[in-house]
Amino acid sequence: GENVEQHPSTLSVQEGDSAVIKCTYSDSASNYFPWYKQELGKGSQLIIDIRSNVGEKKDQRIAVTLNKTAKHFSLHITETQPEDSAVYFCAASREPGQAPLGGSQGNLIFGKGTKLSVKP
Amino acid sequence: GAVVSQHPSWVICKSGTSVKIECRSLDFQATTMFWYRQFPKQSLMLMATSNEGSKATYEQGVEKDKFLINHASLTLSTLTVTSAHPEDSSFYICSAIRDSQETQYFGPGTRLLVL
Repeated sequence: GENVEQHPSTLSVQEGDSAVIKCTYSDSASNYFPWYKQELGKGSQLIIDIRSNVGEKKDQRIAVTLNKTAKHFSLHITETQPEDSAVYFCAASREPGQAPLGGSQGNLIFGKGTKLSVKP
Repeated sequence: GAVVSQHPSWVICKSGTSVKIECRSLDFQATTMFWYRQFPKQSLMLMATSNEGSKATYEQGVEKDKFLINHASLTLSTLTVTSAHPEDSSFYICSAIRDSQETQYFGPGTRLLVL
């Protein structure tokens, strides 16, 4: 089955600097890669996602890159602000609907999270 | 590390029946548990936040009478999909946190198929 590794587990940056979080996955058939932000004590919210037909996607200060050959994808946050401080999770899956009945291949597999601290 | 389990891992049921999904924190006490749903071709959506001993807080658009959440102990939360219909077929994931200062730990998910 799919396995997702996420690094680093903690990351501290100065306000205004960039932050990069990397994830690797094992299942070459995975084609959907979302990123979630969890503020302390709250549930996770989707911040950006990418599908395997593109190599990069950008939304204001947040970007995600995907290297299918190397099976890794990264989250990039530029011009970090204190409110970016949170735990970030990556995940990988095959798109729902592509898994056999009763199978788990369509399920999201999460990395263990990266705690980002942005110092003012 | 902290472990969260879900049961069952997948379930098939007939339309009109109710299905209960369990979420357990195996080696820690979870002050808060979250329930998510993954829609086809979409990402994970937060359904509700569940604190032990109190009523769950549902996100906008989630029917609380349809998705009953019970958080009876610090290690167990249940989600019951009542009178399930085919459109309820989805992947349901729970997560748990030890305290508000910590990260969440995800369960492996439950795939529900309603015929």
